[in-house]
Amino acid sequence: DVKVTQSSRYLVKRTGEKVFLECVQDMDHENMFWYRQDPGLGLRLIYFSYDVKMKEKGDIPEGYSVSREKKERFSLILESASTNQTSMYLCASSSQGQNIQYFGAGTRLSVL
Amino acid sequence: AQKITQTQPGMFVQEKEAVTLDCTYDTSDPSYGLFWYKQPSSGEMIFLIYQGSYDQQNATEGRYSLNFQKARKSANLVISASQLGDSAMYFCAMREFGGGADGLTFGKGTHLIIQP
Repeated sequence: DVKVTQSSRYLVKRTGEKVFLECVQDMDHENMFWYRQDPGLGLRLIYFSYDVKMKEKGDIPEGYSVSREKKERFSLILESASTNQTSMYLCASSSQGQNIQYFGAGTRLSVL
Repeated sequence: AQKITQTQPGMFVQEKEAVTLDCTYDTSDPSYGLFWYKQPSSGEMIFLIYQGSYDQQNATEGRYSLNFQKARKSANLVISASQLGDSAMYFCAMREFGGGADGLTFGKGTHLIIQP
C-alpha cells in the first residue's frame, strides 16, 4: 500500500513564526503536492513538485514556499505564519504517468 | 467560473439505500480525468474511483460506480447499498491533461450521512 506520512496531525503556532510541514512518501513517486482545505472551499493546490529540487506554483502559492531535497520528502514552509493560514494541510503523491494521487492524513494548523 | 460544482452540501440517506452524489465540471480540454475521493472524520482523503474522458464505459469499483455523461459534463458518483461507514465528506475532482499541471481541482464537497 502507498504510504504518505505527514509528520504532525495538529500544530499550534504563533503569528510571525516560521513553520515547516513535512511529508514523506514511501512509494518512490515522482510527483508530490501540497493542498490546503478550508470549509466550504474544498481543497486548493498550493505547490507541487515533479522531481527533486523542482517546484511549481499551484493556485494559491502566496505566503508559502516548498523544498524537495530528496525524492521521498516534500516540505511546505510558511516563512512568517499569519492567522489566515490557519487551515488543514494535505500532502499527496503520485507516480509519473499514473493519475491517482494518494493523500496523507493531513496536518491541522492553527496560527494564533 | 468554478471548474467543479457539487450542488449538494449535505445529504441524509437511509442505510441500504442507493446514493447519487452530483458533480458537474467545466473544461475545454478534450483530455481530462475525473476522480472521487472520500474523507471520513479522521481527515485522510481516500481515492474511490477514476474516469478518463476517453473511457467508453462508466467506471466501477465494488459498490461505487461513476455515471459519466460527457455531453452534459456530469460525473455523478453512485454508491449502491449504502452502509453506516459510508458517512463522510465526498469530493469530486478533475485533472486536465493538456495544461501541463498535475494538480487536481476539487469541488467543495458533499457531506453524506447514512442513517440506520
